[in-house]
Amino acid sequence: NAGVTQTPKFRILKIGQSMTLQCTQDMNHNYMYWYRQDPGMGLKLIYYSVGAGITDKGEVPNGYNVSRSTTEDFPLRLELAAPSQTSVYFCASSRPGASGRGDTQYFGPGTRLTVL
Amino acid sequence: RKEVEQDPGPFNVPEGATVAFNCTYSNSASQSFFWYRQDCRKEPKLLMSVYSSGNEDGRFTAQLNRASQYISLLIRDSKLSDSATYLCVVMTTDSWGKLQFGAGTQVVVTP
Repeated sequence: NAGVTQTPKFRILKIGQSMTLQCTQDMNHNYMYWYRQDPGMGLKLIYYSVGAGITDKGEVPNGYNVSRSTTEDFPLRLELAAPSQTSVYFCASSRPGASGRGDTQYFGPGTRLTVL
Repeated sequence: RKEVEQDPGPFNVPEGATVAFNCTYSNSASQSFFWYRQDCRKEPKLLMSVYSSGNEDGRFTAQLNRASQYISLLIRDSKLSDSATYLCVVMTTDSWGKLQFGAGTQVVVTP
């Protein structure tokens, strides 16, 4: 299993440009998540999905959009990039645990995005 | 106030020594607790879950104090490879599968 893969690894955007961060998992996990991590800060949840066709906002959704058309893929779209979106973006996935909530989260290697 | 707070460190530890640090959480409805490890510029990886009675995994011991709302991690016989940032992670009963991350405690093990 490749686990969770993310592309690209690095990207530099100009203000106002758009891009899509790709995330794919091959573990057949229902739950998928997008986080951003700013220097010296904890991970902040942007969006999450509990299954194909179902997405919901996390803590910091403004400026982002997601879709979940398949179990495997959970792309994150940035529209009109701003310097405040400079960050490291992590995608993660998990399966429902015994409690019905998310089990251990497995993270992708991250995308380092700079907006200039 | 942050939901999950950690001392950022760094904790400088001689190889072979013991180091311990805490994390406090603000939501009393928090139900599940974890320690994740994050190496420099890499993705977080689960180190261990934290159970109510406390638990041990090799050289790592985690404790939970619900009354005071903190969890702790103790590393015995520190190895150079233990150098990393340790993230305290909390899941609340009203956040279905969603985790709250602390900013991390940096540990540096020196020869």
